[in-house]
Amino acid sequence: DADVTQTPRNRITKTGKRIMLECSQTKGHDRMYWYRQDPGLGLQLIYYSFDVKDINKGEISDGYSVSRQAQAKFSLSLESAIPNQTALYFCATSDPATNTIYFGEGSWLTVV
Amino acid sequence: ILNVEQSPQSLHVQEGDSTNFTCSFPSSNFYALHWYRWETAKSPEALFVMTLNGDEKKKGRISATLNTKEGYSYLYIKGSQPEDSATYLCALTPGTGGFKTIFGAGTRLFVKA
Repeated sequence: DADVTQTPRNRITKTGKRIMLECSQTKGHDRMYWYRQDPGLGLQLIYYSFDVKDINKGEISDGYSVSRQAQAKFSLSLESAIPNQTALYFCATSDPATNTIYFGEGSWLTVV
Repeated sequence: ILNVEQSPQSLHVQEGDSTNFTCSFPSSNFYALHWYRWETAKSPEALFVMTLNGDEKKKGRISATLNTKEGYSYLYIKGSQPEDSATYLCALTPGTGGFKTIFGAGTRLFVKA
């Protein structure tokens, strides 16, 4: 089983709809992240959390919100989806000793 | 805003060729440099993490070097195989700003049999 699990893996949604991407990890690390991948760009950080009580905005947080329900769970919400949020989304956790990042399998989101 | 640059953007080689990619980063704010391999339809996986100037890491036919003073890292693949086809991501963990890792756009490698 994957150390970082994301659901759903693929979703098509309509403009204006609310959608949530869920993430859970079994690595036991406190740090969790949500990234977005657009073609030709590097992975862009949306939000990150260094522990259950800590939530921080990343480079591209506008239009997104997150919830850290437990050490192992970190969800991303698009309150009112728009077409330019169509992208591949990755949840991740990191080892604080090495800063190595462990990624989930990715969630393809299409907003039509 | 810190920027991590990778070159080339893409590379086509023949099986058996050796190749290398470059990652450039600001030398003034450095904590760690990472390389990841990202195969199509999979998630990025860590190859190496390097923290010291002059570090060299090796895993099979793939190796990497680090120069923190001039702000660059090289990734080398010796005798490329079709299974090496992937996007190779470089990422910088800076020494300030909460240790948020910043990714380059990647080098896409195509190895033709």
